[in-house]
Amino acid sequence: KAGVTQTPRYLIKTRGQQVTLSCSPISGHRSVSWYQQTPGQGLQFLFEYFSETQRNKGNFPGRFSGRQFSNSRSEMNVSTLELGDSALYLCASTVWTGENTGELFFGEGSRLTVL
Amino acid sequence: GQQLNQSPQSMFIQEGEDVSMNCTSSSIFNTWLWYKQEPGEGPVLLIALYKAGELTSNGRLTAQFGITRKDSFLNISASIPSDVGIYFCAGHTLTSGTYKYIFGTGTRLKVLA
Repeated sequence: KAGVTQTPRYLIKTRGQQVTLSCSPISGHRSVSWYQQTPGQGLQFLFEYFSETQRNKGNFPGRFSGRQFSNSRSEMNVSTLELGDSALYLCASTVWTGENTGELFFGEGSRLTVL
Repeated sequence: GQQLNQSPQSMFIQEGEDVSMNCTSSSIFNTWLWYKQEPGEGPVLLIALYKAGELTSNGRLTAQFGITRKDSFLNISASIPSDVGIYFCAGHTLTSGTYKYIFGTGTRLKVLA
């Protein structure tokens, strides 16, 4: 079955602009989570959506937001971009088991460069 | 941000050698995942562990869920050049009232032919 699809793969923005990234999870997966990956901080959790509701949120400023649609596709938005927002943004889809755990399947990421 | 202690940070090894890496924490985890990431790509899931003491293999890869539930190990046997990449652990734990995955700092593996 198809994996996690993220678009766009690469994008360049300037400071102050905003950006929207898209993620289509594996068919049947209702949970989508977003991560920021940078050389200095590694993989950091942004937020998780399940059935169109934000279920969990990391320690990022309010400029970072997301949403999930009824077909489980998700978008994340970053407003008023800063140089430090340059990173690889990864989306992961999950099927959570009854014991509150599950496996994360990542997309290839969206590489954002802020100039 | 929060990260798990992963060691070693990087290693050069000869083709055919065995490799070991581990992740440790002071927190207790209910799941450990191990990933490999190559340049320009997203992490690929290698092994998932769900129970303390569990030992799971995937080809030449073997991972273990530590008995204390605070650590995990990944071994690669008879390494080959295509094993090059960054290996991450991810631990699932209850933090600040919610369950989250926390990631290791990564082990960069370079294999010399």
